[in-house]
Amino acid sequence: QKEVEQNSGPLSVPEGAIASLNCTYSDRGSQSFFWYRQYSGKSPELIMSIYSNGDKEDGRFTAQLNKASQYVSLLIRDSQPSDSATYLCATKRDDKIIFGKGTRLHILP
Amino acid sequence: EAQVTQNPRYLITVTGKKLTVTCSQNMNHEYMSWYRQDPGLGLRQIYYSMNVEVTDKGDVPEGYKVSRKEKRNFPLILESPSPNQTSLYFCASSFLGAYGYTFGSGTRLTVV
Repeated sequence: QKEVEQNSGPLSVPEGAIASLNCTYSDRGSQSFFWYRQYSGKSPELIMSIYSNGDKEDGRFTAQLNKASQYVSLLIRDSQPSDSATYLCATKRDDKIIFGKGTRLHILP
Repeated sequence: EAQVTQNPRYLITVTGKKLTVTCSQNMNHEYMSWYRQDPGLGLRQIYYSMNVEVTDKGDVPEGYKVSRKEKRNFPLILESPSPNQTSLYFCASSFLGAYGYTFGSGTRLTVV
């Protein structure tokens, strides 16, 4: 079983709509959870971190964590063409930080 | 400006020729790590370091070495590169490893 799983996409969302990205993880010992955005040919950029169950909002982004179901999600409201990128989910387990393979998001103008 | 600096950005080398990719951060972060990113495989952790003189293996350490003699520097060493080490490499640092990474710009390595 893969430690961090994401749907590879592409996920196509109309401009102005809500994009919903999901991630599941296998190790219940995972402690911290992160979402990164990676544009093609660029390095990943941290956009959200979440540590406890519930929702965390930052501007147009909301991260949701459910430890009982072992999933993390990222909602992007009012999607913009500049949101088109690959979104990477990551978890911290002990001293290691493990990444999913990413979901490609395409915002349709 | 807070940043992680990797060099070189691009490198083409031949099989067996030792090389070092440098990584330096100016944020006084304890935790530093190296990843490789390959199509279809995502980001995979090679080595990480919790602090000076403390390093540990990630998920794909074979063929790589690291050292952490100073807090700011974390070089990646390939003593005998092989074509299967052709990849995009990222160095990253984090405060205590708990608060998300700052990534370097990446090093695209080709081994022929």
